[in-house]
Amino acid sequence: AQSVTQLGSHVSVSEGALVLLRCNYSSSVPPYLFWYVQYPNQGLQLLLKYTTGATLVKGINGFEAEFKKSETSFHLTKPSAHMSDAAEYFCAVSRGWAGGTSYGKLTFGQGTILTVHP
Amino acid sequence: DVKVTQSSRYLVKRTGEKVFLECVQDMDHENMFWYRQDPGLGLRLIYFSYDVKMKEKGDIPEGYSVSREKKERFSLILESASTNQTSMYLCASSPGRVAGTDTQYFGPGTRLTVL
Repeated sequence: AQSVTQLGSHVSVSEGALVLLRCNYSSSVPPYLFWYVQYPNQGLQLLLKYTTGATLVKGINGFEAEFKKSETSFHLTKPSAHMSDAAEYFCAVSRGWAGGTSYGKLTFGQGTILTVHP
Repeated sequence: DVKVTQSSRYLVKRTGEKVFLECVQDMDHENMFWYRQDPGLGLRLIYFSYDVKMKEKGDIPEGYSVSREKKERFSLILESASTNQTSMYLCASSPGRVAGTDTQYFGPGTRLTVL
């Protein structure tokens, strides 16, 4: 069974500082990994995803994440935080693999609320 | 752009009422999902559907049922609402072309309060 742990339910950074949101996963099969963002009063939208190939994945709004199999991690980073990055971020792992019968079901982490202060 | 709409943003119901939450997607997606979101618990899958009239239980199906009579519409039903079902409910859809790698597209959510 797959599981996801996000370290830190709240992260606070200054505008212009590095953003680092941590995600560790557990999966019995090669994982597909996702980061979603939820802005206030909105649904989730995809930031980026890792499926196969290059382990450094670039997403929208300057975010990127690196898949590290040896560490079972998929941490999200952004070099310089903007006020508009304030949101809740969710890491997720796919429950299956291409050819399987997961139907694209995801297991989500608990979420990390990012606060950006001036 | 994919659009997933939910019938209500806010809903207040009384204990014991039957509650219907509606979700519609406009991109001919095969898969549709219902989640509930609670602080500190992330998103938990209630039910999902991979085709019209086809459904499977997710992780927390107790107290809920679903209906998918048309491809674009997926309904979540609370047969007899209880206060512990007060939550944010999110609907999502995905293309279903390649299992596991598809992006899920989310609606804005319905915040349900059961009094």
